[in-house]
Amino acid sequence: DAGVTQSPTHLIKTRGQHVTLRCSPISGHKSVSWYQQVLGQGPQFIFQYYEKEERGRGNFPDRFSARQFPNYSSELNVNALLLGDSALYLCASTLQGADYNEQFFGPGTRLTVL
Amino acid sequence: GDSVTQMEGPVTLSEEAFLTINCTYTATGYPSLFWYVQYPGEGLQLLLKATKADDKGSNKGFEATYRKETTSFHLEKGSVQVSDSAVYFCALMNYGGSQGNLIFGKGTKLSVKP
Repeated sequence: DAGVTQSPTHLIKTRGQHVTLRCSPISGHKSVSWYQQVLGQGPQFIFQYYEKEERGRGNFPDRFSARQFPNYSSELNVNALLLGDSALYLCASTLQGADYNEQFFGPGTRLTVL
Repeated sequence: GDSVTQMEGPVTLSEEAFLTINCTYTATGYPSLFWYVQYPGEGLQLLLKATKADDKGSNKGFEATYRKETTSFHLEKGSVQVSDSAVYFCALMNYGGSQGNLIFGKGTKLSVKP
């Protein structure tokens, strides 16, 4: 079975631009979470979606937004990119959104903002 | 708010040495505790978990015991191998306050020399 997939693998943007990152969860998983991992730090929670609704939001500015589609895939959008947005963006899927279930992580998208 | 503190790295050991990576947490309620591992260029993999006090999580020779009295979840392995070289993250999930998202420590880089 395929794991969590993310695209693109790498991308380079300039300050002020907009970026869209994509995530496909494991088949049957209905919840997707997004994390930002700055170099040398642990991942930080950005959003969680379950059944297409936002279930949680971390301490990130409104430039960050996300959505989940009927097939449970998800997009993370970041507007007005700043140098500090350079990071590895991780997507994780779980079978359910409310109770504990293991979060399975994708390989991440490496975003570089110049 | 909830937080995780783990020992600073990097940690360099010789093959077959004993490993301890310290992790302490601050949380309200009764969080679940996790250790994740990140190999170079890859996403996060769940190494082990414990969901209640005095539980011991174990996997691939690694162990950690949930100690509520000391709010700790230290990772141990009796004999490390070169293939254990990676970054290790301690994390917690507290359903009461954070709606099921993971809170990570900063990570500890382990290098094992032959």
